[in-house]
Amino acid sequence: DGGITQSPKYLFRKEGQNVTLSCEQNLNHDAMYWYRQDPGQGLRLIYYSQIVNDFQKGDIAEGYSVSREKKESFPLTVTSAQKNPTAFYLCASSLQGNSYEQYFGPGTRLTVT
Amino acid sequence: AQTVTQSQPEMSVQEAETVTLSCTYDTSESDYYLFWYKQPPSRQMILVIRQEAYKQQNATENRFSVNFQKAAKSFSLKISDSQLGDAAMYFCAYRSAYGDVLSGTYKYIFGTGTRLKVLA
Repeated sequence: DGGITQSPKYLFRKEGQNVTLSCEQNLNHDAMYWYRQDPGQGLRLIYYSQIVNDFQKGDIAEGYSVSREKKESFPLTVTSAQKNPTAFYLCASSLQGNSYEQYFGPGTRLTVT
Repeated sequence: AQTVTQSQPEMSVQEAETVTLSCTYDTSESDYYLFWYKQPPSRQMILVIRQEAYKQQNATENRFSVNFQKAAKSFSLKISDSQLGDAAMYFCAYRSAYGDVLSGTYKYIFGTGTRLKVLA
C-alpha cells in the first residue's frame, strides 16, 4: 500500500537537544511539506520541497532545518534554536501540476522538557 | 497573501441531523482549489471534499456537500445525516492554481479548524 510514514509517533527530548523527525513516502510524489499543528492555530507551514536537493522556507521556518536527498524522504530537524518545539508535526506530499490533493502522514507528537 | 478563516471553533449536531461548517477566504486570484479535510481523534488528516474554483457546480461526496459562493469567497461544508464517526476537527484549505514563482511548488493555506461534536 502506498502512503506516508512518520516515525516515531511520540518523541520526547530534553531542552537544548536537536531532534530529527522522519517522513517517508512511496507515492512517487514530487512535493513534500512539513506542518506544525498547535491548538487553535490550524496547520502552519514550516518547509516545503518540490524536487530533490531543493526546498523553501514556509511561514515558520526559524529553528527548523530540512534536507531532501531522496525523492521519498524529507526529514525535519528541530534545533535547539526553536523556542517552543513542543507540538504535533505533520508531513504531507502531493503531485505537482494538475493533481492537487495533499496526502498526510499520521504525525509525530514532539514533547520537549 | 491568501487567508482562510473558520469562524466557528466548535459546533455540535445531533446524530442523523444536518450541520453546516463555515469557511471564508481571501484571494485576488481567479483560479484556485478549495478543500475540506477531516482530522479525527487519531489525528490522521483525511480529504473530505474538494472544489475547483472554475466549476460552478458544488462538489458532493456522499453525505458531504459544499456551498461554494465564489463572489462572496465562501466555502461551507454541509454534512447530512450526521454520524458519530463524523466527530472530528474539520479544516478548510486553499491552494492557488499557480505555483510559487521561484520553485513552482504549490502552497496550501489552512484555516484554524472547527471541532465538530456529534451527539447521540
